[in-house]
Amino acid sequence: SQQGEEDPQALSIQEGENAIMNCSYKTSINNLQWYRQNSGRGLVHLILIRSNEREKHSGRLRVTLDTSKKSSSLLITASRAADTASYFCATSKSTFGDGTTLTVKP
Amino acid sequence: EAGVAQSPRYKIIEKRQSVAFWCNPISGHATLYWYQQILGQGPKLLIQFQNNGVVDDSQLPKDRFSAERLKGVDSTLKIQPAKLEDSAVYLCASSFQGRNTEAFFGQGTRLTVV
Repeated sequence: SQQGEEDPQALSIQEGENAIMNCSYKTSINNLQWYRQNSGRGLVHLILIRSNEREKHSGRLRVTLDTSKKSSSLLITASRAADTASYFCATSKSTFGDGTTLTVKP
Repeated sequence: EAGVAQSPRYKIIEKRQSVAFWCNPISGHATLYWYQQILGQGPKLLIQFQNNGVVDDSQLPKDRFSAERLKGVDSTLKIQPAKLEDSAVYLCASSFQGRNTEAFFGQGTRLTVV
């Protein structure tokens, strides 16, 4: 199975609410990356957090990393309908999880 | 800046036929990746090239899949013969060399084997 595992598999929220999704992994990492994939399209890189960082922000995105628990979280604040997509964590460019499918209802 | 280009966007073939996909990475990106993404799953790396050399092809089914990156730029991925379970989206990505770099993905080729 893939090393990165996202949780939950699916998430449905109302526009304006915050969305939080988690990623767990098994081995040591240099960095962890989050990607977004809109239906029928390729993946788009969102944010990279290095193993010596604990938190990183980019616009409405906030990523945390806890290397002791081998986990990361992605928080999207004030969600919009356009945030509807699948979100994947990757512990390397060769190891992606199966993603969290986020639906934001207008 | 032009992104990663892939063609074709869609392909339908019968089982046992052969098919080829083409990828043109972002200019200057030494590393190129091919992924297979089955519906509902994350991308699975098939092969990684560094310039025109193979770095990782451990998950490439070599009895039917082959890939090349001549001259260290464009790449082709071939399946021969195709099986029903090869139905998936095939994604190409490229990146600068180095661990802490992001991958840029193409739109993918959706393959349906009937």
